[in-house]
Order: sequence, then C-alpha cells, then structure tokens
Amino acid sequence: GENVEQHPSTLSVQEGDSAVIKCTYSDSASNYFPWYKQELGKRPQLIIDIRSNVGEKKDQRIAVTLNKTAKHFSLHITETQPEESAVYFCAASTHYGQNFVFGPGTRLSVLP
Amino acid sequence: DAGITQSPRHKVTETGTPVTLRCHQTENHRYMYWYRQDPGHGLRLIHYSYGVKDTDKGEVSDGYSVSRSKTEDFLLTLESATSSQTSVYFCAIRAESAFDEQFFGPGTRLTVL
Repeated sequence: GENVEQHPSTLSVQEGDSAVIKCTYSDSASNYFPWYKQELGKRPQLIIDIRSNVGEKKDQRIAVTLNKTAKHFSLHITETQPEESAVYFCAASTHYGQNFVFGPGTRLSVLP
Repeated sequence: DAGITQSPRHKVTETGTPVTLRCHQTENHRYMYWYRQDPGHGLRLIHYSYGVKDTDKGEVSDGYSVSRSKTEDFLLTLESATSSQTSVYFCAIRAESAFDEQFFGPGTRLTVL
C-alpha cells in the first residue's frame, strides 16, 4: 500500500522568510496530493492540492510542486506570517481512490 | 465546513464500555471516512464507506466497527473501549467532483480511562 513520508517534523522560521515542507510517496498510481493545515484544537483544513498532470500550482503565497519521477512533492510558503504557525499534513491518493494516506505532519512555527 | 458534524465532541469513558461516535453530513456525499489522530502519527484511516451499507477497513481497523444505514450518517463503534483508543477522531467526506477534495468534521476527543 501507499506510504507517505514527510520532512521536517518541526520547522521554525522568522516572519517573512520562506518555509518548505517535503513529502515522498511510494505508490506510483497516486495522482492527487493535497496539503492540509491544522491549527491547535481545530480540524485539518485543505489549503492547496495538486494533481499529477501538472508540476506546480500556486495560490498567492502558497505553492506546491510535484516530481512524479522522483515521487516527491513539496509545499512552499513565502513571506510567512505568525498566523501560519500550525501543523501541516501532506497526503496522497489516487483519482477516485477510496482512501487517502497522510504524512505524519510538520509543526511550523513562524516567529515574529 | 462542508456540512459535517460530529457527536459527541468530547467523551470520557471507562475501559471495557461500548462507545459510538456519530458523523452526520448534509450534502449527500457518497464517501465518508473515520480517522484517528495521535501525536507523531498524523491521521490514520480506521474505516471508510462508499455508500449505504458499503464499508471497508482502513489501516487501523482492529477494535472498531462501523455502520452506514443512511447516506447522511456514519457511525463508529468501539465495542469494548481500551486505553489505546484514547485519541481524537475525525470524520471526513470526499467531495465527488473532478477535484476529489476531502473535508473534515470538527473532531471528537475520546478519553478511555
């Protein structure tokens, strides 16, 4: 079955700096890769996703890149803000796949 | 919030007692999921459903059962709760569109003493 690894497990950056979180997956059939942000005590919230037919997707200061050959994808946040401190999860799934496999999460701290 | 609610939101119970958690959705989604979330493990799939009376096991299904007798409700039952089942439980739905997005309910914090 699918296995998703995520690094780093914790990340601290200064406000305004960039943050990068990387994930690898094992199942070459996976073709949908969402990223979730989870604030303390809250539910995971989808922030961006990418499908295997594109290599990059951007939404304002957040971008995700995908390398299908190497089976890895990354989340990039530029000009980070303290309110973006949270745990971020990556996941992998197949299109119309019945389940998603999540990475263990990255705790991002943006220091003011 | 994709019209997903969970009940109860918090529960404390004793080892050996049965517990049922309810997930309710208002938007007629076919796919529903139960996850547990523990520190260092992210979100792990317990069971999922792809329609009324259609369910299947996930990665950590031992000690759990589910039922889905109507589209809007997906129940998770711990037949005899154990301390290892202390966790935060999230229900989720998958939006059936071209986009596959999965949305989560607010979560249930379960403590088994």
